Amino acid sequence: SQQGEEDPQALSIQEGENATMNCSYKTSINNLQWYRQNSGRGLVHLILIRSNEREKHSGRLRVTLDTSKKSSSLLITASRAADTASYFCATDDRGAQKLVFGQGTRLTINP
Amino acid sequence: NAGVTQTPKFRVLKTGQSMTLLCAQDMNHEYMYWYRQDPGMGLRLIHYSVGEGTTAKGEVPDGYNVSRLKKQNFLLGLESAAPSQTSVYFCASSNLRGGPTDTQYFGPGTRLTVL
Repeated sequence: SQQGEEDPQALSIQEGENATMNCSYKTSINNLQWYRQNSGRGLVHLILIRSNEREKHSGRLRVTLDTSKKSSSLLITASRAADTASYFCATDDRGAQKLVFGQGTRLTINP
Repeated sequence: NAGVTQTPKFRVLKTGQSMTLLCAQDMNHEYMYWYRQDPGMGLRLIHYSVGEGTTAKGEVPDGYNVSRLKKQNFLLGLESAAPSQTSVYFCASSNLRGGPTDTQYFGPGTRLTVL
């Protein structure tokens, strides 16, 4: 069964707007990661947040983690056309030696 | 550094044919993984390796075999391809310090079609 599930499945916004996507998971985790996948390409790591962290920033990206709600959000500020991609969250569960990926959010930035 | 590379990029097989997908990484990573990606299914782990000479089953291992004879290479084999194995296959690796649940580095993918 999927550990992480993204919401929404698809999101379309205008360039310059902020994009928010969410990830929910089921079991306790050590860390949660976000990856980006451009069409026809492999996944690229964006950011990792550990279970003892609540918020993390990287450039225009802001990730939050709420372990009590078992959820995370990825905020992309001042979106650009180049941000058009699918975004995946990935979680481990404590004791498991592998990541489990969600189904992804497909983000489209309209010029 | 080339990072993680995959060969071939595209392949079309007939049902029952066999093939091997090659993954190579030049980052000296201990851990390597094979995933498949299907529409609406996200990535699913097929097999993984925690070091040279070791392999382990992932979520969807049936119909696939793997080998890790050299640290930098991870091979995925299909002995008798089936249409259900039509998918995009991704290889990834991660380093010993972070472990298998830390940052993974992905290859560009192999698009396989089984007729």
